[in-house]
Amino acid sequence: DADVTQTPRNRITKTGKRIMLECSQTKGHDRMYWYRQDPGLGLRLIYYSFDVKDINKGEISDGYSVSRQAQAKFSLSLESAIPNQTALYFCATSESGRPLYNEQFFGPGTRLTVL
Amino acid sequence: KQEVTQIPAALSVPEGENLVLNCSFTDSAIYNLQWFRQDPGKGLTSLLLIQSSQREQTSGRLNASLDKSSGRSTLYIAASQPGDSATYLCAVNSGNTPLVFGKGTRLSVIA
Repeated sequence: DADVTQTPRNRITKTGKRIMLECSQTKGHDRMYWYRQDPGLGLRLIYYSFDVKDINKGEISDGYSVSRQAQAKFSLSLESAIPNQTALYFCATSESGRPLYNEQFFGPGTRLTVL
Repeated sequence: KQEVTQIPAALSVPEGENLVLNCSFTDSAIYNLQWFRQDPGKGLTSLLLIQSSQREQTSGRLNASLDKSSGRSTLYIAASQPGDSATYLCAVNSGNTPLVFGKGTRLSVIA
C-alpha cells in the first residue's frame, strides 16, 4: 500500500461547489503539506501543518481551508470552487526528527477540474 | 527569502549521453537539499537528499553534489536512457520552514 494516499484521484465539479480533498499517510510523519501545481508555475504551497494543533498558511491560501483531523490525516477544502482552481493538487509529508530532517514524500496527486 | 533556480528549463539529449542538471539557491544557510523526479501528471518521487555536511550522494546512475558556500547543486545522470525522461526538481530545506522548490528541468532523452 502507498505510504501517502490522496482521494479522490480525479474530480470534476462546477463553479460554486464545496470540494474536499483528503490525504492520509502511514509513514508516521508529523508534518503534512498541501501544494498545487499549474503548468509553468511550478509547485505552490497552499497550507502546511507541523503537528496536529498547528496550521499555517502558504503562499496561496486564499479560497482554501484545511483540517488536520489526526496526525495521519490532512484535508483540503475549497469553500466555493472557481475555474482558476483547476490544477493538480499534491499532499506531502515529512518528519521533523533527524537525521533526514524534513525529507518530503508526496502523494500521487488529485486532478481537479472546475467548470 | 530563499529562492531556488533551475537552469535550463528544458533539455533534450540523445540516449547514452551523460548530463548535468543545475540547481542554485540564494541563501547558503541550508540543512539539506532534495532532488525529485516527476513524470507527467504524477506525483514527485524523491531521488536523493544531501545533508548540508555532505558533498555528494549517489544512487545508481545518479550522483548529486552540493556546494553550499556557492549556493549550487548538480544532479549528474550517467548513460542516460529514454526512461529517464521526466521533470527533475530540486528543493532546499532552510530549517523549520517548508521546502523551497525550483521550477524544474524537463528532460527528454531521445532514443
